[in-house]
Parts: sequence; C-alpha cells; structure tokens
Amino acid sequence: DAGVTQSPTHLIKTRGQQVTLRCSPKSGHDTVSWYQQALGQGPQFIFQYYEEEERQRGNFPDRFSGHQFPNYSSELNVNALLLGDSALYLCASSLFGSPNSPLHFGNGTRLTVT
Amino acid sequence: AQSVTQLDSQVPVFEEAPVELRCNYSSSVSVYLFWYVQYPNQGLQLLLKYLSGSTLVKGINGFEAEFNKSQTSFHLRKPSVHISDTAEYFCAVSDKNQGGKLIFGQGTELSVKP
Repeated sequence: DAGVTQSPTHLIKTRGQQVTLRCSPKSGHDTVSWYQQALGQGPQFIFQYYEEEERQRGNFPDRFSGHQFPNYSSELNVNALLLGDSALYLCASSLFGSPNSPLHFGNGTRLTVT
Repeated sequence: AQSVTQLDSQVPVFEEAPVELRCNYSSSVSVYLFWYVQYPNQGLQLLLKYLSGSTLVKGINGFEAEFNKSQTSFHLRKPSVHISDTAEYFCAVSDKNQGGKLIFGQGTELSVKP
C-alpha cells in the first residue's frame, strides 16, 4: 500500500521563476493538503483540495496556487519565486470529513531559490 | 485564532531516562490534538492523537500524551527513551470543523545521548 508520494525530492530555482510540485495521495484518500516548512520551523498550512476544489486556504499570497485531478493527485504551483520561498514543501492526504483519518505526510520536496 | 506553543526548543536527555515534551494551545473552539515526529530528511509521522474520550492517549513507540482542557495543554511523555527517538517533535491542533488544516508548533528537538 503506497503512502503519499511527492516529486521531485529536490529542486533548485532562480528568483522570479515558476515551479510545480506534485503529490499522489495515499491509496483510499480523497483530500490533499499542502504545507510549507521553513528551516527550523513547524509546517504552515497553504491550502487543501477536495473534489478538485480548493476548500481551505492559509495565509499565503496568490502566487501560491494548486490543482487537484480526478485521480485525487495534486499539484502546487508557485509563481514569481522569492528567496523566502525556499523551504520543504509537504503534501498530506486524508479522507474528507473523517476525524479518525489523520493526515499522512509525504517526505516532501526541498525547494531552494537562489 | 488558534496557536500552539511548544515550550522547549531543545530537550537533551540520556538514554533510558524519562522525557516530557511540553505543548500548550490556544483556541476558542473545540479542537483535535496531535503529536507528529519528523526524522531527518523525512516527512511527518503521526505519534498519537486526541479526538475525544479518555484524556490519556497512547501512541506508537511507547509514547503517550495527556489532554488537560483546563490548562490547555497536551504534553508528550515517554518513560524510557532510546537513541532512535532522536528526532524533531511537533504538536498540532485542528478545529473540529476544519479537518485537514493543522496548526503546528515550532517543534522540539529531542536529542538522546548514550
């Protein structure tokens, strides 16, 4: 039973560029959430997708956008990259509306902006 | 708004000694509480969760936590730690009506020495 998989594992981009990160949820899960974890910090909630719609959003600018596909996989897009966007980006999946279905996290994508 | 405070950024302890990692939260609504562990270069793994019922919650790897509503605390404990417990530990809270959106603390680095 595959868990949450993210790609790529590492990425280096230049300031001003755009980036797309990908996530496949754990088998049986229908909801994907994205988190940003800066070095030495706890993860911060970016947004959550269910039924291909953004359901909740954290305090992140519109440069951060996402998408969910019919197979429940998801993408996170970040435009006009800033140095401060350098972080570990974590994807987590769960079953919508089920508190007994805690988040399962992937190993993350390490984004470095130079 | 919800917030989580982990009272210790670093906790050094000798192998086989007991440990307590402290977590306080603030919220105006009913919440679910979680502890996650993060090993180097990995995502987050759920240790335990409090949804309702008994205030003493047992998790994996011998960890347990106690929910104290009056003190708004959810401290994590283990009676005897191992070298392999060395990792970053995160306390998190979610609104019962906003599943999937976790608010994390800053993390506590547990370092177990031989």
